[in-house]
Amino acid sequence: QKEVEQNSGPLSVPEGAIASLNCTYSDRGSQSFFWYRQYSGKSPELIMFIYSNGDKEDGRFTAQLNKASQYVSLLIRDSQPSDSATYLCAVYNQGGKLIFGQGTELSVKP
Amino acid sequence: DAGVTQSPTHLIKTRGQHVTLRCSPISGHKSVSWYQQVLGQGPQFIFQYYEKEERGRGNFPDRFSARQFPNYSSELNVNALLLGDSALYLCASSLGAPQETQYFGPGTRLLVL
Repeated sequence: QKEVEQNSGPLSVPEGAIASLNCTYSDRGSQSFFWYRQYSGKSPELIMFIYSNGDKEDGRFTAQLNKASQYVSLLIRDSQPSDSATYLCAVYNQGGKLIFGQGTELSVKP
Repeated sequence: DAGVTQSPTHLIKTRGQHVTLRCSPISGHKSVSWYQQVLGQGPQFIFQYYEKEERGRGNFPDRFSARQFPNYSSELNVNALLLGDSALYLCASSLGAPQETQYFGPGTRLLVL
């Protein structure tokens, strides 16, 4: 079992729709969770971090964390073609290492 | 403020050669981490340094080594290059407390022929 798992996609949504990206993790002791966006040929850029159970909103982005289910998600409202990228879920394990999922490719169609 | 900087941006080497990649963290950040990202995969942790000391090491062979300097910049060295070392090498910096947000540099794209 991988430490952090994401559906590789591609996930295709129409412009203006809600994109839902999901991530599960195996280390029950993990405390810190991050979403990064990576455009093709570029490096990852931070979108959001979340530490507590529940929802955290920042503009069009909402991160959701459920530690009991070991599940973290990212919702993108009013998706735009410029949101087309690979979204990386990252989790610190109890050893203090930041572990990434394989990323979900999102395509927003005009 | 300048972000994380890395050099060189691109590099082509042949099998068996050695390579040194360099990273300068965000001003005020004392921790640097290195990651390897192969096409289609997420970044994979190689090393983390804090205050010149190794804080963590990923599952990479001893051909990979790193160090951090008093100004908090860092080098990643890879010896005896293999074709499979071709990847994007990412440096990330953070203030230094455990489990903090890491900010990535633009990366160095290494091609081994």
